[in-house]
Amino acid sequence: DVKVTQSSRYLVKRTGEKVFLECVQDMDHENMFWYRQDPGLGLRLIYFSYDVKMKEKGDIPEGYSVSREKKERFSLILESASTNQTSMYLCASSLVLGAEQYFGPGTRLTVT
Amino acid sequence: EDKVVQSPLSLVVHEGDTVTLNCSYEVTNFRSLLWYKQEKKAPTFLFMLTSSGIEKKSGRLSSILDKKELFSILNITATQTGDSAVYLCAVHNTDKLIFGTGTRLQVFP
Repeated sequence: DVKVTQSSRYLVKRTGEKVFLECVQDMDHENMFWYRQDPGLGLRLIYFSYDVKMKEKGDIPEGYSVSREKKERFSLILESASTNQTSMYLCASSLVLGAEQYFGPGTRLTVT
Repeated sequence: EDKVVQSPLSLVVHEGDTVTLNCSYEVTNFRSLLWYKQEKKAPTFLFMLTSSGIEKKSGRLSSILDKKELFSILNITATQTGDSAVYLCAVHNTDKLIFGTGTRLQVFP
């Protein structure tokens, strides 16, 4: 079974702090994704990566950056957290682009 | 702009009922349509559909795609309380998934 893990289930940060969300997958998948999920808006893609050190912007990349130094790990960085970044963040991976994505349990981030 | 619309937004039924969830889409470069079930945490994969008219089935769940009319349905027969969840529809274009906002299903005993 594919396992995607995220570093924290719940996180509370202050406005202006730098925030790191970590995601690790154990199935040697090429592709990894970061989404945020908000009520009434569904899942929206922030960034994805199709190879180590490669990244592509999704639909809402503003205020975020990512890092993929190793194949199994994909990090989402909030350079200066703001209250409108309070959300559920979901990481996913897939073997190839176009295949089903497998999701981690999510990190609920609150920025106060 | 690519979009995926699910209906109804929410549904409340009793155990044993049959439900039909709808997903319509307008997406350029359609590749596939996927259904996920989300309880309190990670969405879990249910089905991937790529061809019209071919039903995919897993136990009490089944799904079918109509590429001419641009929609899919997810059927759940003989619902159980464990079916209570948000059901997400997503469409794959060239390189990413576009999600609908989900249908919240609540099944009461």
